[in-house]
Amino acid sequence: ELKVEQNPLFLSMQEGKNYTIYCNYSTTSDRLYWYRQDPGKSLESLFVLLSNGAVKQEGRLMASLDTKARLSTLHITAAVHDLSATYFCAVDSISGNTPLVFGKGTRLSVIA
Amino acid sequence: DADVTQTPRNRITKTGKRIMLECSQTKGHDRMYWYRQDPGLGLRLIYYSFDVKDINKGEISDGYSVSRQAQAKFSLSLESAIPNQTALYFCATSDLRTGGYNEQFFGPGTRLTVL
Repeated sequence: ELKVEQNPLFLSMQEGKNYTIYCNYSTTSDRLYWYRQDPGKSLESLFVLLSNGAVKQEGRLMASLDTKARLSTLHITAAVHDLSATYFCAVDSISGNTPLVFGKGTRLSVIA
Repeated sequence: DADVTQTPRNRITKTGKRIMLECSQTKGHDRMYWYRQDPGLGLRLIYYSFDVKDINKGEISDGYSVSRQAQAKFSLSLESAIPNQTALYFCATSDLRTGGYNEQFFGPGTRLTVL
């Protein structure tokens, strides 16, 4: 059974600092997705990672996938308040014939 | 723009009432999902459907039922609502044929309160 673990679950960081959110998963997969959710809002797709070594960047966020380690990271560079949100990773099964398995989410708060 | 819509966006109901939440999509996707999110918690899958004739239970299907009326429509019903079903409900869609991967696209959510 595919399990997905994110850490940390809560993260308070100062503006201008760097930090990394980790997403570990339990079985083989080469497709992983990152989503952002603002409070009370829906989930918005951030990154789609489709192979080992995939790296995607958007602004101050960069996501990578290491399928051998079963690990994806979401790196935040020089955090700003606007990045405050909850970030979810989700992993696809190899077959793609089951729903995505989501991590519990990381609630990020960027403070001045 | 192709989209995922949910109605109603907010609903307050009383214990024991039957209610239906509706989801429509114009993305042309085959796969549709219903999730529940409780405050401060992650997503929990209620039901999913990979095509019109396919319905599958998720991890928390008790107390819920669904209907896939068409490729574009997937409804969630609470037969007899109870207070612990108070939550934010999301519909999502995906289609493996689009690029060969399963990215899910979420609707805006329905905030349900059961008194």
